[in-house]
Amino acid sequence: EAQVTQNPRYLITVTGKKLTVTCSQNMNHEYMSWYRQDPGLGLRQIYYSMNVEVTDKGDVPEGYKVSRKEKRNFPLILESPSPNQTSLYFCASSLSRLGDQPQHFGDGTRLSIL
Amino acid sequence: AQSVSQHNHHVILSEAASLELGCNYSYGGTVNLFWYVQYPGQHLQLLLKYFSGDPLVKGIKGFEAEFIKSKFSFNLRKPSVQWSDTAEYFCAASYGNNRLAFGKGNQVVVIP
Repeated sequence: EAQVTQNPRYLITVTGKKLTVTCSQNMNHEYMSWYRQDPGLGLRQIYYSMNVEVTDKGDVPEGYKVSRKEKRNFPLILESPSPNQTSLYFCASSLSRLGDQPQHFGDGTRLSIL
Repeated sequence: AQSVSQHNHHVILSEAASLELGCNYSYGGTVNLFWYVQYPGQHLQLLLKYFSGDPLVKGIKGFEAEFIKSKFSFNLRKPSVQWSDTAEYFCAASYGNNRLAFGKGNQVVVIP
């Protein structure tokens, strides 16, 4: 089954404790992206990747890092999480490396930073 | 900056009523447009998309959208909603620059 898998689904942690949210897709998609969803703000793009070793900033990259060492994986790293990063996070992938094709979304990761 | 605007963030309507959600995108040359739906507790799913051709696009679950280039709009419609259409709806635009812009969403509640 074609899918985008995120882990963990839920995480409560404390300020400053490094965390990683994993994302994996099994569709051989070129483009992968991370979004955060906040009430009243919709989805905002954090980082995206057009291919292995090619990543770039989205609209709200501050406080986040990503890597794309393998085509299927695109982890999101919070080196020193802060309460303003409490949010619902979605990973997505898309066939075209330009990101202009429909996105396939994961089930989301709800992060709470205390 | 490329952006997408959605109006009337909260919409409440009764079953069998018609639904129309507005979406306006900022000018940026060629643009691909999408509507996504997010049912409670679930991830976003594609409802329909417009790349080129017929400006009236039909999607899943009886939804359709009309692309009006002169108005920079891509409004979503459904003639008769059901309780199961309760969800949040997002308009999105891709400008071919590797970025995707989403609107803030419309929370739609259908009352049985």
